[in-house]
Amino acid sequence: DAGVIQSPRHEVTEMGQEVTLRCKPISGHNSLFWYRQTMMRGLELLIYFNNNVPIDDSGMPEDRFSAKMPNASFSTLKIQPSEPRDSAVYFCASSAIGQGQGETQYFGPGTRLLVL
Amino acid sequence: AQKITQTQPGMFVQEKEAVTLDCTYDTSDPSYGLFWYKQPSSGEMIFLIYQGSYDQQNATEGRYSLNFQKARKSANLVISASQLGDSAMYFCAMRDDDYKLSFGAGTTVTVRA
Repeated sequence: DAGVIQSPRHEVTEMGQEVTLRCKPISGHNSLFWYRQTMMRGLELLIYFNNNVPIDDSGMPEDRFSAKMPNASFSTLKIQPSEPRDSAVYFCASSAIGQGQGETQYFGPGTRLLVL
Repeated sequence: AQKITQTQPGMFVQEKEAVTLDCTYDTSDPSYGLFWYKQPSSGEMIFLIYQGSYDQQNATEGRYSLNFQKARKSANLVISASQLGDSAMYFCAMRDDDYKLSFGAGTTVTVRA
């Protein structure tokens, strides 16, 4: 079975540019989570969706960040305009809430973003 | 408030020996889940083991076991028979009733040959 798929795996961009990160969750999972990992702040939850609906976006740092989940198999995280402090590894994770197994979250490989 | 505390920033262990990684948590929810993830130098986050708050027995998955002490609010990970490939960062995480995961700061494990 395919795991969580993220693209691109690496992104280098210049300050002010728009960045779009993509995620395909595990088939059958009904929840999707976006995390950011930095040395200073560790792993932080940005937003999560349940059944394609955003449930909690309290971790989204500011209005420059937006996330969508138009269907059960695709989500995007967009940063516009990007800033150097956005440089981090962005993880997408999915889980099957309400289906037992502790609602374990399975992570994608991450997107390493560098904003110059 | 800090929900997950991992007090060991780094540990060294000899190959084939066991190592225990400490994790304490804080929650007032009666229903919660505890997880351990491994992050090797390649960067991916790998799920290792899960313990539910109502589980009577400690979870085990191969060489991984979770020493769950509910009254002390601790969920230590034990890796038995360490291998060189176990060298990585290990994160403890907790899910409470809002389904979000809170992560600890992580512990770096280095296995020596």
